Amino acid sequence: DTEVTQTPKHLVMGMTNKKSLKCEQHMGHRAMYWYKQKAKKPPELMFVYSYEKLSINESVPSRFSPECPNSSLLNLHLHALQPEDSALYLCASSQEGQYLETQYFGPGTRLLVL
Amino acid sequence: LAKTTQPISMDSYEGQEVNITCSHNNIATNDYITWYQQFPSQGPRFIIQGYKTKVTNEVASLFIPADRKSSTLSLPRVSLSDTAVYYCLVGGSWGKLQFGAGTQVVVTP
Repeated sequence: DTEVTQTPKHLVMGMTNKKSLKCEQHMGHRAMYWYKQKAKKPPELMFVYSYEKLSINESVPSRFSPECPNSSLLNLHLHALQPEDSALYLCASSQEGQYLETQYFGPGTRLLVL
Repeated sequence: LAKTTQPISMDSYEGQEVNITCSHNNIATNDYITWYQQFPSQGPRFIIQGYKTKVTNEVASLFIPADRKSSTLSLPRVSLSDTAVYYCLVGGSWGKLQFGAGTQVVVTP
């Protein structure tokens, strides 16, 4: 099973709402990632978790709060977002987060902030 | 991280071979070259990775000249389902993937 699942597929939220994006993998991977992708642009790395610890934060605003409850789950908590945060949010996983590892991506959550 | 340059788009007909060249003039000695494919409304998918000469798998071939300042992804006999964005990635560290702008490949009947 090389599948990474993400829920919800679509999300519409107001600027005062609080919502969460969820990601799950059952490949035994110990590294998980959040990417943000704007329309017609490449994915941009946001966060990396390795062995359930946050190892990389690419200077993401605090209105995005990641959480890794266990090695299979990754959440992204959203609060007080701005319209420019509307994008496709992709989750990925890999064996350990080492260089050259293949990353497996989920289908993404398409977020619209009104 | 090495900067990459790819064509913005390429058009092809079904059954043809598509070659996408990526330039990476400042590639470092220990950098590998990796290609990912992304279909609309899906996450990227790993295609192939190489260091030098030629690598081939069931999906594509990757040609890397001796100076390693460029690489070419070759997709044999494309079909409509190969319409996607193809990203060339060079280098990276500790799990960080640096995606370039990508090449939109459109295959028509």
